[in-house]
Amino acid sequence: DAKTTQPNSMESNEEEPVHLPCNHSTISGTDYIHWYRQLPSQGPEYVIHGLTSNVNNRMASLAIAEDRKSSTLILHRATLRDAAVYYCILRASWGGATNKLIFGTGTLLAVQP
Amino acid sequence: SAVISQKPSRDICQRGTSLTIQCQVDSQVTMMFWYRQQPGQSLTLIATANQGSEATYESGFVIDKFPISRPNLTFSTLTVSNMSPEDSSIYLCSVEDRAGGSTEAFFGQGTRLTVV
Repeated sequence: DAKTTQPNSMESNEEEPVHLPCNHSTISGTDYIHWYRQLPSQGPEYVIHGLTSNVNNRMASLAIAEDRKSSTLILHRATLRDAAVYYCILRASWGGATNKLIFGTGTLLAVQP
Repeated sequence: SAVISQKPSRDICQRGTSLTIQCQVDSQVTMMFWYRQQPGQSLTLIATANQGSEATYESGFVIDKFPISRPNLTFSTLTVSNMSPEDSSIYLCSVEDRAGGSTEAFFGQGTRLTVV
């Protein structure tokens, strides 16, 4: 599986934008970039995913570099509830039995009031 | 979306005993997975629970230690056998319904296991 690299931790102030980086220099052409987050004492939850183009949803935006070797998850206005561990994960586009969700160490985001 | 119920939510067990964790989903799903999250660590995939056949285990996990059942498309169990303090972790069930082409995973709240 292609590997991702994320900073161990980041800090943000409430109501400010947050840019969470992820490097994936060995990404293959069929890998989607997925982001999940894990709030304290909860299971992970899906945030967003993309292949080549930037993506937006109600939770966040995903900016993907033109060479696809890095991406950035953007939280437009951080709230205290966004404090969580954010995981950047690569997954093949096909849905075979061996297409599993493999978690790295993630980025612990702290949000200050 | 899928709503997952895991039972128990937490337990304290004596070493040498076994605990069975249940995962119930509110809809039929194609894929079910079990993860372990050791204190302060990320999630590690234990196995894929296959309906009607033996689970597929990841490297470092074996059926004798973590037997898994999946009798239908909405239910699975994970047993942690002959427990030791090193098995103290959060165990999470995850599901995906790939029938519609989605690869979004849903997770239960986890079972917090403490072995004493």
